[in-house]
Amino acid sequence: DAKTTQPPSMDCAEGRAANLPCNHSTISGNEYVYWYRQIHSQGPQYIIHGLKNNETNEMASLIITEDRKSSTLILPHATLRDTAVYYCIVRAGFQKLVFGQGTRLTINP
Amino acid sequence: GAGVSQSPSNKVTEKGKDVELRCDPISGHTALYWYRQRLGQGLEFLIYFQGNSAPDKSGLPSDRFSAERTGESVSTLTIQRTQQEDSAVYLCASSLVQGAGQPQHFGDGTRLSIL
Repeated sequence: DAKTTQPPSMDCAEGRAANLPCNHSTISGNEYVYWYRQIHSQGPQYIIHGLKNNETNEMASLIITEDRKSSTLILPHATLRDTAVYYCIVRAGFQKLVFGQGTRLTINP
Repeated sequence: GAGVSQSPSNKVTEKGKDVELRCDPISGHTALYWYRQRLGQGLEFLIYFQGNSAPDKSGLPSDRFSAERTGESVSTLTIQRTQQEDSAVYLCASSLVQGAGQPQHFGDGTRLSIL
């Protein structure tokens, strides 16, 4: 699976949009971009995934660049409950997810 | 329930004892995965089941670890002769069908502490 690069930490004010970047410059054509988050003491929570096109669901939006070498997860109106570690993962295989160190996002009141 | 259910949520046991951890996947999910997460670290893949195919056991750290799954239902992860380095959160995930485009959904894990 391709490696991803994320900033180790970010801060965002409550109510503002949180934009989390991810670089995946070696991504292959058949690899999807997945985003998960993990809140302390809980299992990872699936947020969103995409292949080429931008995606939106009730939790977030995913913007993938045209060359697919980077993506941005957008939480449109961050709340204190969005404080978590966010993981960007690229995956084509059918088996395991490989989690890196992620971005520790802190939402400030 | 709607999500992946794991039990027990916490387990404390003495070194050398055997432990059994249980995972109930989301109904209809044919793929099931076990991961381990040590304190402050990322997820470590252990084993993967897909339908009636032979499981992928490539992540099991030693022969003290084994897992079973009956059909497309419950799975159990067994650790024999536990060691202190086995202390971790053991996470189970399931997905609808095998494939890169299907997200895995996780339970909240079993926190295992070996004294």
